[in-house]
Amino acid sequence: NAGVMQNPRHLVRRRGQEARLRCSPMKGHSHVYWYRQLPEEGLKFMVYLQKENIIDESGMPKERFSAEFPKEGPSILRIQQVVRGDSAAYFCASSPPGTAASTDTQYFGPGTRLTVL
Amino acid sequence: GDSVTQMEGPVTLSEEAFLTINCTYTATGYPSLFWYVQYPGEGLQLLLKATKADDKGSNKGFEATYRKETTSFHLEKGSVQVSDSAVYFCALIITSGTYKYIFGTGTRLKVLA
Repeated sequence: NAGVMQNPRHLVRRRGQEARLRCSPMKGHSHVYWYRQLPEEGLKFMVYLQKENIIDESGMPKERFSAEFPKEGPSILRIQQVVRGDSAAYFCASSPPGTAASTDTQYFGPGTRLTVL
Repeated sequence: GDSVTQMEGPVTLSEEAFLTINCTYTATGYPSLFWYVQYPGEGLQLLLKATKADDKGSNKGFEATYRKETTSFHLEKGSVQVSDSAVYFCALIITSGTYKYIFGTGTRLKVLA
């Protein structure tokens, strides 16, 4: 049973370019979460999605960042016009549908390390 | 608001030493509590969890007890190994309307042979 998949693992962009980060949740999981980890810091929640719905985007910067989780295919975190401060590790996590008890454990992918030059 | 506070690292121990990493939390309601471990260059792996007061989570020799009276979830291991060197994150989950984790800042553990 494959775990959460993220690609690419490493992404280098120049200032002003776009970054697209992909996350495929574990099989059977319909909840996806994105977190950002700045160097030497803990993870900060960004957004929580279910299929075709954004449930909580309270951690997303107001500009340049967007996320989707379409009916088919992976979840995408998109950063437009990247700046140096966007350099970080971006982690995706997933959990299965169901009650709070079954969804409270999130399973993390290996992360995408974004470097903005 | 809800928050998690961890002891600052790095923590450096000799092999077979006793480990404690302190974690306290502030939350409304009764969150589930977690410890995750991150090895260099990798993502987070669930180490253990506890979902209600007085529950003890345990895994791979690590354990932590959910203490509601002290709002704590300290991580302990009786005898650490070099392979335990990693960053350890304490977290709680908000379940009212959303399921986002609140993480502590992480504690780096280095175990010397």
